[in-house]
Amino acid sequence: DIVLTQAPLSVSVTPGESASISCRSSKSLLSSKGITSLYWYLQRPGKSPQLLIYQMSNLASGVPDRFSSSGSETDFTLKISKVETEDVGVYYCGHRLEYPNTFGAGTKLELK
Amino acid sequence: EVQLVESGGGLVQPGRSLKLSCAASGFTFSNYGMAWVCQAPTKGLEWVASISTGGGNTYYRDSVKGRFTISRDNAKNTLYLQMDSLRSEDTATYYCARGGRGTGGHDYWGQGVMVTVSS
Repeated sequence: DIVLTQAPLSVSVTPGESASISCRSSKSLLSSKGITSLYWYLQRPGKSPQLLIYQMSNLASGVPDRFSSSGSETDFTLKISKVETEDVGVYYCGHRLEYPNTFGAGTKLELK
Repeated sequence: EVQLVESGGGLVQPGRSLKLSCAASGFTFSNYGMAWVCQAPTKGLEWVASISTGGGNTYYRDSVKGRFTISRDNAKNTLYLQMDSLRSEDTATYYCARGGRGTGGHDYWGQGVMVTVSS
């Protein structure tokens, strides 16, 4: 199974500042179709997860452009610029390259 | 508006069965692969099973193979998860999620339904 390792497990950010979350894969997530099968999700407190980023670097519908993501075949970074109150929650990376799909352990973002 | 509404959860004894349902609306259900993802209390997300658009292809995590069955009824716009031989470690909130066609990710999620396995 592909293991996704996130770091840090928690981050505390001053509103208006930036935050970065790392996700490292145990295997290349580049598919034979040239798509990098890496996704970012946000789960706000008490809510269901929502898709933020698809195929490593594309913003999902309705997601503000304060969110961005980049990476290689195995190392990925989610960046949140100008953090706002609504960004609080747990961020998960996940892949859909093969079965089983797996998720990282999650990174909890809190405000200072 | 895309909506996924799960039902069927509850408290069940170890070894017993439960069937979850996920009613879909706001999109052409038969055009999308679907999945179940669970989250144990205070834990992270864990993929459980996926099913193709027509239901002909199904995929499971190892820990539920032979015990859980994912299925769908495209005429009723409903996804199911039959859970047999339940164990205490199956205790979790279960989400149904749509497999995005353009995005490839799980682009819409239901509100989740709690399953508690305990004697």
